[in-house]
Amino acid sequence: GEDVEQSLFLSVREGDSSVINCTYTDSSSTYLYWYKQEPGAGLQLLTYIFSNMDMKQDQRLTVLLNKKDKHLSLRIADTQTGDSAIYFCAEKKGGTASKLTFGTGTRLQVTL
Amino acid sequence: DTEVTQTPKHLVMGMTNKKSLKCEQHMGHRAMYWYKQKAKKPPELMFVYSYEKLSINESVPSRFSPECPNSSLLNLHLHALQPEDSALYLCASSQLTRVSYEQYFGPGTRLTVT
Repeated sequence: GEDVEQSLFLSVREGDSSVINCTYTDSSSTYLYWYKQEPGAGLQLLTYIFSNMDMKQDQRLTVLLNKKDKHLSLRIADTQTGDSAIYFCAEKKGGTASKLTFGTGTRLQVTL
Repeated sequence: DTEVTQTPKHLVMGMTNKKSLKCEQHMGHRAMYWYKQKAKKPPELMFVYSYEKLSINESVPSRFSPECPNSSLLNLHLHALQPEDSALYLCASSQLTRVSYEQYFGPGTRLTVT
């Protein structure tokens, strides 16, 4: 299909790891991104990965990319209440200044 | 500094009004974007400016009119909007010389059309 798919909701306990999954559409996408959106706010860029990589780690965040299956995941270690937000994956198609196609978004709820 | 600013934060306008949204960045980015985001949905691209020229218009109705007066500023002029245009309007910018092309977003303008 044309949509970038994500599961709608994920609930984890504080201190556990969270894994948010994304299935994207275009195997020729060069960059894939993860954004965080808190209620009423804009999007905060968390991290991105180039399509010829299969893993990228940045402090508590680990991105895994399976290009064959067009599957992207974001792992948040030691999840905190401040991580509660909506997480969007996005794929970039086309040339330099071009559109991002966003996933449907996953709402992460962190419980005590 | 990765800051994109947007004004106003909130805007309420009637269907006959004319108003403008403003976006500013001082990161030297030469691509700027307008997105529309409805509640519980992902952002949808409206317009892209590259080097102050409109490069992408995603078939947006003419009641939305973008303007890029210089490399730091992006405006969205609004006229004769409909209630279904109520949404969060997000501005973003990216550096055209950086191969990762990551986009940085502003906090958005919450628009309500009455």
